[in-house]
Amino acid sequence: NAGVMQNPRHLVRRRGQEARLRCSPVKGHSHVYWYRQLPEEGLKFMVYLQKENIIDESGMPKERFSAEFPKEGPSILRIQQVVRGDSAAYFCASSQGGREDYGYTFGSGTRLTVV
Amino acid sequence: TQLLEQSPQFLSIQEGENLTVYCNSSSVFSSLQWYRQEPGEGPVLLVTVVTGGEVKKLKRLTFQFGDARKDSSLHITAAQPGDTGLYLCAGTRGKLIFGQGTTLQVKP
Repeated sequence: NAGVMQNPRHLVRRRGQEARLRCSPVKGHSHVYWYRQLPEEGLKFMVYLQKENIIDESGMPKERFSAEFPKEGPSILRIQQVVRGDSAAYFCASSQGGREDYGYTFGSGTRLTVV
Repeated sequence: TQLLEQSPQFLSIQEGENLTVYCNSSSVFSSLQWYRQEPGEGPVLLVTVVTGGEVKKLKRLTFQFGDARKDSSLHITAAQPGDTGLYLCAGTRGKLIFGQGTTLQVKP
């Protein structure tokens, strides 16, 4: 009964490099959400995926950011050519979906630092 | 602009005091959820309120959903240092939209 697993917990990248953040949802959950959080702030929605489909990417920056949730394997949030402003905590959540009042289960996050 | 406004943003109180955190919106939500987040961890779901006027209790925590389903409150009785954390309300718009959070510090 593992929860949402995110890795790595901490990631340091130099400006211009690529960052790959991984998220394995709760077993049986087919809905995955990515959020970004700056210190002392709430969570900002980025993208909502179901298996092999992007449902809502209204919170994703138009450039450099992409997300996928393949049929097999974890969901990946990819940030190309990182800049200092990308430094933040990135959280993944999963849910059973189907009802709006289902709670989300969050992972412990990946803290990205761009130097 | 913030769809869900939480107040206060920061709260520092002594152990044993009572407190209330508010979550307000100009929009109607079918449900609102409250989460608690500790430093270095992800948010953890505390409660979901669905019906206008609904009140739910979780030990010393009382959650209320406004009659018009636009606002919610969280009341903590006799706060303890273990209650320290970031409290987040969230409403659903196809996905969860979060307020900016209330940072609570309870001093022993």
